[in-house]
Amino acid sequence: RKEVEQDPGPFNVPEGATVAFNCTYSNSASQSFFWYRQDCRKEPKLLMSVYSSGNEDGRFTAQLNRASQYISLLIRDSKLSDSATYLCVVTLFTGTASKLTFGTGTRLQVTL
Amino acid sequence: DGGITQSPKYLFRKEGQNVTLSCEQNLNHDAMYWYRQDPGQGLRLIYYSQIVNDFQKGDIAEGYSVSREKKESFPLTVTSAQKNPTAFYLCASRIRGDDPRAYEQYFGPGTRLTVT
Repeated sequence: RKEVEQDPGPFNVPEGATVAFNCTYSNSASQSFFWYRQDCRKEPKLLMSVYSSGNEDGRFTAQLNRASQYISLLIRDSKLSDSATYLCVVTLFTGTASKLTFGTGTRLQVTL
Repeated sequence: DGGITQSPKYLFRKEGQNVTLSCEQNLNHDAMYWYRQDPGQGLRLIYYSQIVNDFQKGDIAEGYSVSREKKESFPLTVTSAQKNPTAFYLCASRIRGDDPRAYEQYFGPGTRLTVT
């Protein structure tokens, strides 16, 4: 089983739609969780951290379910500019260092 | 402006040659990381460094070497021993500390290396 699993997509949605991505992780000791956005041929950029209580930033809402070991990202009122690949990232602290594990990403294409 | 710079953006080399990729940050971050990204795969950790003059192997260190002589700089050398060096190489950095935000990594723009 992969350490971090995401549906690769692509998710093709019309502008204005609501879209949700899920991500599952295998190590229950994982401690920090993030969503990154990566545009084609560019570096990943931090979209938001995911906190236990869930958090919202404008049109984006992230949720964490530790019992089921999954993280979700909800995007409301999709814009054309939201088209990108969304990477789920999980951190495991080993005592001397933190190790980030990246999912392979879910591709989103927002269309007119 | 604070940030992470990587150079060059594109690099072409012949098989058998060593090549060094540059990574510089002026964010005053303690920890720095090198990843490679291949099509359809997640980022994989090559090496990381938490403080100056110290670095650790990541998951795929074979065929690579690094140095960390200055806090701001973490160059990566891709040696001729690396069997499949063609990839997108990404450098990242973060602060260290107990705050949860200390685990957030910030990436440079990457270097696309093509070896023929």
